[in-house]
Amino acid sequence: QVHLVESGGKVVQPGGSLRLSCAASGFTFSTHGMHWVRQAPGRGLEWVAFIRDDGSKTFYADFVKGRFTVSRDNSKSTLFLQMDSLRPDDTALFYCARYSSGYPFDLWGQGTLVTVSS
Amino acid sequence: QSVLTQPPSVSGAPGQQVTIACNVTTSNIGATSDVHWYQQLPGTAPNLLIYRNTHRPSGVPARFSASRSATSASLAITGLQADDEADYYCQSYDSSLNAWVFGGGTKLTVL
Repeated sequence: QVHLVESGGKVVQPGGSLRLSCAASGFTFSTHGMHWVRQAPGRGLEWVAFIRDDGSKTFYADFVKGRFTVSRDNSKSTLFLQMDSLRPDDTALFYCARYSSGYPFDLWGQGTLVTVSS
Repeated sequence: QSVLTQPPSVSGAPGQQVTIACNVTTSNIGATSDVHWYQQLPGTAPNLLIYRNTHRPSGVPARFSASRSATSASLAITGLQADDEADYYCQSYDSSLNAWVFGGGTKLTVL
């Protein structure tokens, strides 16, 4: 079965840093681009970042540019999101999602919760 | 404010049909840009419901259908069932910003 499992979410103080992970299984990770999407409590979905299958190119939403960095380790089928300078309005459930040509978000993880609070 | 505008909520009785609109409010998402739809059941992750404007992944019932016009898209659900209660999101790609965008989401209530 294909799976994405996020981890790393926790409570962090404003200005702090956090690294999220997303472990993939059941498919050839290295042939798929990957996204991070977040959802603040009671709010809608918000795209955060994308990385190409080989890691050669990344794209970010304006509100995270310069603060978040997406990366991947294809040898370990794992996606990462390094988050720095965290703010209270970054509080959200963070999902990783798979990209397939013609299917931008065709597989989702269950999410990991990031809470930014003092 | 998303560039894909959805009504915050819709409702319908069991067996009825509802339609959810997704209006494109930016020229960066052209008429040839695909719109996709996702269903998010309460307390769960989103799930792909419709891809490339009109196509259903395997396992999605034919009660769910969608269409696309130059400046909007719509999702129709016929024969409403209680377990259709969920949030529904449209999604597309802003080619000028190299950004994927979601609509604000529509909460479907089955009365």
